Amino acid sequence: EPEVTQTPSHQVTQMGQEVILRCVPISNHLYFYWYRQILGQKVEFLVSFYNNEISEKSEIFDDQFSVERPDGSNFTLKIRSTKLEDSAMYFCASSLMGQGNTEAFFGQGTRLTVV
Amino acid sequence: QKEVEQNSGPLSVPEGAIASLNCTYSDRVSQSFFWYRQYSGKSPELIMSIYSNGDKEDGRFTAQLNKASQYVSLLIRDSQPSDSATYLCAVKYGGADGLTFGKGTHLIIQP
Repeated sequence: EPEVTQTPSHQVTQMGQEVILRCVPISNHLYFYWYRQILGQKVEFLVSFYNNEISEKSEIFDDQFSVERPDGSNFTLKIRSTKLEDSAMYFCASSLMGQGNTEAFFGQGTRLTVV
Repeated sequence: QKEVEQNSGPLSVPEGAIASLNCTYSDRVSQSFFWYRQYSGKSPELIMSIYSNGDKEDGRFTAQLNKASQYVSLLIRDSQPSDSATYLCAVKYGGADGLTFGKGTHLIIQP
C-alpha cells in the first residue's frame, strides 16, 4: 500500500541551526502538507503546497519556515534558525485533491528536538 | 476562530461494547470531516471520512454527521483492546486546504 515516508525519524539540533525535514509523498498525490504536534498538544496545520507553490499557510508558518519540492518526489520543510519552541513532531501528509472530498494520509513523522 | 472540540477523556469502555466519540465544530461552512486514530508517539492514521449528513459505516466503525447541530461522532462496535488510542476529529473548513484538528479523545478499552 502506498505511503508517505519521512526522514529522518529523529533530529536533534542546536538552537539557531538550520534543519531540513524530508518527505516523499504518495506518488500520484497532488497536494502536500506539513503539520506539527508539540508534545501533549493538538496537531496543527503549517502549510499546503500545490503545483509547485504554497497554496495556504497558517500563522505559525512565519519567515523562518520554507518549503520546497526540489525534484519529482521529495518535499522538504526547512527551518532556518531553530528555536527551543520548534521542538515537536513534524508530520508530512499528502492528498489526491486539496478541496472538496479528499483524504490526507500522514507520514510517520520526524521528531525534532532543539537543544 | 475555527475550533474543533473534543472531550479529552479518558473514555473507558469494556471490551466488546460500543465506544462513542463526539466532536463539535464552530463553523457552519465546513466541507469535510475526518476521524484519525493516533497511538502514542505515532502519526495520525485515517479511519473514516464523512462529507454529508447521516451515517457512514465501514466495518466496525460508523461515522455520523449532523451539520445543523455542528457535530460529528464516531461509533466503534465490538471494541477491542487494540482500539485503545487517541481519536482525533479533523475538519476541513470551506476554502481551506489544511485540516483543523481537535485535541483528541483518549479511549481505553478494558479487557
